[in-house]
Amino acid sequence: DVKVTQSSRYLVKRTGEKVFLECVQDMDHENMFWYRQDPGLGLRLIYFSYDVKMKEKGDIPEGYSVSREKKERFSLILESASTNQTSMYLCASSSGGAYNEQFFGPGTRLTVL
Amino acid sequence: GEDVEQSLFLSVREGDSSVINCTYTDSSSTYLYWYKQEPGAGLQLLTYIFSNMDMKQDQRLTVLLNKKDKHLSLRIADTQTGDSAIYFCAETFSGGYNKLIFGAGTRLAVHP
Repeated sequence: DVKVTQSSRYLVKRTGEKVFLECVQDMDHENMFWYRQDPGLGLRLIYFSYDVKMKEKGDIPEGYSVSREKKERFSLILESASTNQTSMYLCASSSGGAYNEQFFGPGTRLTVL
Repeated sequence: GEDVEQSLFLSVREGDSSVINCTYTDSSSTYLYWYKQEPGAGLQLLTYIFSNMDMKQDQRLTVLLNKKDKHLSLRIADTQTGDSAIYFCAETFSGGYNKLIFGAGTRLAVHP
């Protein structure tokens, strides 16, 4: 059974803290994605990676960075958390090719106080 | 650029049919997708349609694609309370990298 796991389901942090969100997939997928989900705005792409150590900015990269040192792991980093980064964060992976199903993790609900 | 639009809410009675609509902008999208998100969970692929098809049926689900109008719809027959969820329409990003462009999601509420 394919699986994308995220390190935490719920996280509460304080303004200014450095926050790490971890995502691991066991499907040997090349592509991995980080989204944030906000009511009425749907999913917005923060960063994605199409290979180890490769990364590309998505639509809303400001205030975030990412790391992909191993194929199966993709980390999202909030360098200095702010209250407007309170959101649901979803990780996804895909194998590439024309048929591009993305497999999602359960999400991390982050609250920044 | 690419954009995918959906209405935000739909309320239906149990046993009725639900129709969720979506418009997209990229006519070169190869595949179009419907994802389902149940409360407290991530997204799961519900169904997809290849761009050279007009219709796809899968048990209670029917997907209709009108390429001329760039309109995609998802029909759920005999809607059940377990169908209550958020439904996202998505198109393939034409610039590569296997990116998907998602709509805002339609929250389907099924009431007795």
